[in-house]
Amino acid sequence: DAGVTQSPTHLIKTRGQQVTLRCSPKSGHDTVSWYQQALGQGPQFIFQYYEEEERQRGNFPDRFSGHQFPNYSSELNVNALLLGDSALYLCASSLANPRYTHYEQYFGPGTRLTVT
Amino acid sequence: AQTVTQSQPEMSVQEAETVTLSCTYDTSESDYYLFWYKQPPSRQMILVIRQEAYKQQNATENRFSVNFQKAAKSFSLKISDSQLGDAAMYFCAYSYVSSSGTYKYIFGTGTRLKVLA
Repeated sequence: DAGVTQSPTHLIKTRGQQVTLRCSPKSGHDTVSWYQQALGQGPQFIFQYYEEEERQRGNFPDRFSGHQFPNYSSELNVNALLLGDSALYLCASSLANPRYTHYEQYFGPGTRLTVT
Repeated sequence: AQTVTQSQPEMSVQEAETVTLSCTYDTSESDYYLFWYKQPPSRQMILVIRQEAYKQQNATENRFSVNFQKAAKSFSLKISDSQLGDAAMYFCAYSYVSSSGTYKYIFGTGTRLKVLA
């Protein structure tokens, strides 16, 4: 049973560029959440996707956008990159009804984004 | 607003000894879950233990146990018989169902645990 997978593992971009990160959820999961983890900090919630729509959003600017596909995989897009966007981006998958999984989310290994 | 606070940036423990990591949280919700996650240098977040708020009994998973004090909004993690492989960043996390039916994690800032041989 494949867990949550993310690609790429590492990425280096220049300020002002755009980036797309990808996530495939754990088999059987229908909901994908994205988190940003700055160095030395805890993960911060960016947004969550279910049924191809954004269900909830954290305190992140519109430069951060996402998409969910019919197979439940998801993309995170960041436009006009800033130095402060350098971080580990974590994807987590879950079931829409938290009662089925005791509110648990399963995390991928993350994508390390460096903006120079 | 819900918040999670971990006041210990770093802790050290001798191999085979016991260590306790602290976590406090703030919420007005009555139904929620609390978690401890381990993040080794490989970056993969690994669930260590979970606690349902409505359960008074403290959760236990092998060498890991929690002290859940709901009234005090405290959720500490005790690691017994510490092993070298326990060395990692430990994050306390809180989750609840919002009015829109979604749920997300709110994480603390983490505690780096060092295990000394």
